[in-house]
Amino acid sequence: GAVVSQHPSRVICKSGTSVKIECRSLDFQATTMFWYRQFPKQSLMLMATSNEGSKATYEQGVEKDKFLINHASLTLSTLTVTSAHPEDSSFYICSARDASGYNEQFFGPGTRLTVL
Amino acid sequence: AQTVTQSQPEMSVQEAETVTLSCTYDTSESDYYLFWYKQPPSRQMILVIRQEAYKQQNATENRFSVNFQKAAKSFSLKISDSQLGDAAMYFCAYRSLDNYGQNFVFGPGTRLSVLP
Repeated sequence: GAVVSQHPSRVICKSGTSVKIECRSLDFQATTMFWYRQFPKQSLMLMATSNEGSKATYEQGVEKDKFLINHASLTLSTLTVTSAHPEDSSFYICSARDASGYNEQFFGPGTRLTVL
Repeated sequence: AQTVTQSQPEMSVQEAETVTLSCTYDTSESDYYLFWYKQPPSRQMILVIRQEAYKQQNATENRFSVNFQKAAKSFSLKISDSQLGDAAMYFCAYRSLDNYGQNFVFGPGTRLSVLP
């Protein structure tokens, strides 16, 4: 099946710094990628939809200036958490939609962010 | 907007026995997809089974089957011959059919424990 990778798998940073998380579709082209956030023992909440070559669409309540999304190619989307604070600590998961075939979506393995 | 409800926060089953996880959803759309995803401790989202709403036949995948009741907006997952590896969080998810509604709406999840 199709593979989506995320890098890094886990990151620890100091409060006030920025962190970039990469999401790559390894064997298919993804015109659309989605970024989710998952707090401990909770479900996945959609943060934003990332479309290749255009601005991301953010869900209500998600600060676009804090969570910068760039989808510069058909295989790569990045999420940058700017000026991170401890409350940004969470598990971030991306999914990528295969532009061909049945528009299947595949999930990355997630990135655990800890802000000290 | 669509919503997905899972009324069982936790369930347990004896190894080799059968367990059913419940899911209900709300939508005004007539056609859509429904999914069950498994999230083990690794946090990787794994597709268990998928159902197209226009198909009357219930989907099955080896030991996993669903009971899809469209009129009742119910989509339960049955796991037969439960194995220790089935222990995980299970999320029911809804996805629209159109190209612009490609993000998932997830339920809150059910934590399944398998007792040896």
